[in-house]
Parts: sequence; structure tokens; C-alpha cells
Amino acid sequence: EAQVTQNPRYLITVTGKKLTVTCSQNMNHEYMSWYRQDPGLGLRQIYYSMNVEVTDKGDVPEGYKVSRKEKRNFPLILESPSPNQTSLYFCASRPRDRAFEGYTFGSGTRLTVV
Amino acid sequence: AQRVTQPEKLLSVFKGAPVELKCNYSYSGSPELFWYVQYSRQRLQLLLRHISRESIKGFTADLNKGETSFHLKKPFAQEEDSAMYYCALRGSSNTGKLIFGQGTTLQVKP
Repeated sequence: EAQVTQNPRYLITVTGKKLTVTCSQNMNHEYMSWYRQDPGLGLRQIYYSMNVEVTDKGDVPEGYKVSRKEKRNFPLILESPSPNQTSLYFCASRPRDRAFEGYTFGSGTRLTVV
Repeated sequence: AQRVTQPEKLLSVFKGAPVELKCNYSYSGSPELFWYVQYSRQRLQLLLRHISRESIKGFTADLNKGETSFHLKKPFAQEEDSAMYYCALRGSSNTGKLIFGQGTTLQVKP
């Protein structure tokens, strides 16, 4: 089944403890992106990647890092999480040459930083 | 600036009533617009693309360039339509970035 898989689904952590949220897609998509969803703010893009080893900042990149060493994986790294990063995170992917199809989203990761 | 505005945070209707979820956009070129739906505790799913002019689950959306709108409509709401709906615009850069509105929660009462 074609899908975007995120792990973990739920995570509670403490301030300052480094964490990684994994994202993997099995559709051979070039484009991958991370969004955070907050009430009243909709979804905001954190980082995106247009292909392997090509990443760039979105609208709210502060406090986050990403890497794209392989086409299928796009992990989101929080080096020193803070409570304002408590949010629902979504990974998404789409093929480069079929932008009109829109993104396929993962199931989301609900992160709580205490 | 590229922006998507969904003016209603919550829209509550009775089953069988017509539904219109509003979406306005700000964009200088030819927009690519989408509607996504998020059912409770589930992932976002693509509902409609303006380019395909399709009808999914009874929903339709017409791009009105004069009014810069892409409202989502359904003539008769069903309880299973209750969800969060997001309007999204694909930006002009080749990054494929989607710009989302704030979302509208549709509540269909029995």
C-alpha cells in the first residue's frame, strides 16, 4: 500500500532532550515536507526537501533540523525541544512531476514537551 | 503575498442542509487549489483539486478567479461529513509548498 509512515504517533518528552521523528514513504516521491498543525493557525511548513541531499527552510524552521540522505526517508530532528514545540506534526510527500495530485500525508505525530 | 483565508472556524449545520465552506486566496499567478479533509484523529486526505473539476463524496468546488475564491459546497450534508476542512494553495515556487488556510470545522447535527 502506498503510504507515508511516521513514527512515533505519540511522544511526551522533557525540555532539552533531543528527539527524532521519522518519516518514510514508499512511493518514490521526490518532494517531502514537514508541517506542524496548531489550533487557529492551520498547517505551517517547517522544512521541505526537493530530492536527496536537497533541503530548505519553510515558514517556521527555528528549533528544527532535517536530513535527506535517502529518497524514502525524511526525519525531523529537535535538538533541544521546548514547550512551544508541542504540536501535531505531519510529514507529506508528492512526486515532482505531478504537483496537481497534491501531497500524501502521514498519520501525524503528537508531540508534547514538558 | 500568497495567503489562504478560511473565515469560519466552525460551521454547524443540520443533516440534509446545504453546506458551503468558504475559502479565499491571495495569489498573483494562476493558482493551484486543493481541499483537504481531516476526520477525527486521522491524517489529512486530499478531497478535491480544482484542476480536475471532480466531485468527491458529493462535494464540489469551483475556482472563481474574479472573487479569488474556491468555496467547497455540498447540497445535502451528512453526519459523516463532520470533520476539519483545509483549503490549500500551491505556491509559485518550484518547491511544491502548500499554503494552508486556518481550517474550518464542519459539524453536522442529526
